Amino acid sequence: AQKVTQAQTEISVVEKEDVTLDCVYETRDTTYYLFWYKQPPSGELVFLIRRNSFDEQNEISGRYSWNFQKSTSSFNFTITASQVVDSAVYFCALGGRDDKIIFGKGTRLHILP
Amino acid sequence: DSGVTQTPKHLITATGQRVTLRCSPRSGDLSVYWYQQSLDQGLQFLIQYYNGEERAKGNILERFSAQQFPDLHSELNLSSLELGDSALYFCASSVAIPTGALTGELFFGEGSRLTVL
Repeated sequence: AQKVTQAQTEISVVEKEDVTLDCVYETRDTTYYLFWYKQPPSGELVFLIRRNSFDEQNEISGRYSWNFQKSTSSFNFTITASQVVDSAVYFCALGGRDDKIIFGKGTRLHILP
Repeated sequence: DSGVTQTPKHLITATGQRVTLRCSPRSGDLSVYWYQQSLDQGLQFLIQYYNGEERAKGNILERFSAQQFPDLHSELNLSSLELGDSALYFCASSVAIPTGALTGELFFGEGSRLTVL
C-alpha cells in the first residue's frame, strides 16, 4: 500500500531563515509520482512540483528547492530565505499505478516576522 | 483560477440529510478525483473517475457515492449525514491516458465546505 509520512506537524521559523519540510513515502510501484502542494490560509491548493520516480535530479525554483532521494524514499522541500507569505500548510503526495494520489497529513509552516 | 469549478462553496445541513456536491473539471481533463479534508486532517482520497468510469477507490464510506457523467462533470452524494462528515470536500482533475498513468498534476477546485449541525 502507498503511504506518505510528513513527520513535522507544525514548524515555526523567523523570516529569512531557511526551512526544510520532510516527506517520506512508501510504495511498491517501480514507477510513481511525487508532488508538493501548498495550502495558504485562503484554503485553495496550489501545485508546486511533480517529480517522476525515474528522474532523481534535484530541482530549484527561485527560493524553493526539492531533494529527491530514492535510496531513502524521501522527497524533501526547502524554502530558502523564508517570507511571511510562505506561511501555509504544505502537503506531499504520492501517485502510482493504481491511480490513487495519496497525500500526507501536511506540515503547517509559520513564518514569523 | 485552476479551471475546476465546485458548487456549492458552502453548505449547512442537518444530521440525517443528503447533499450533492458538484464538480466541473478543467476543459479536456478526463480524470476527476474527490478528497475530504477534515479539521486538522490531511487530504483523504475518496474516489477517482476516468472518462465516466470508476478508476480508484479510497476510504469512501458506504453512505457516500459518486459518479462522472458523459459531459465529464462529477457529483459526490453524501447521505445520512453525521456530524463527523463536516469537512472541506475538494474535487481535482487531471489529464490521464487510458492506462492510468498520470501525465500531469492535479488541479484542485476551491472546495465545498460542508457543515452538518
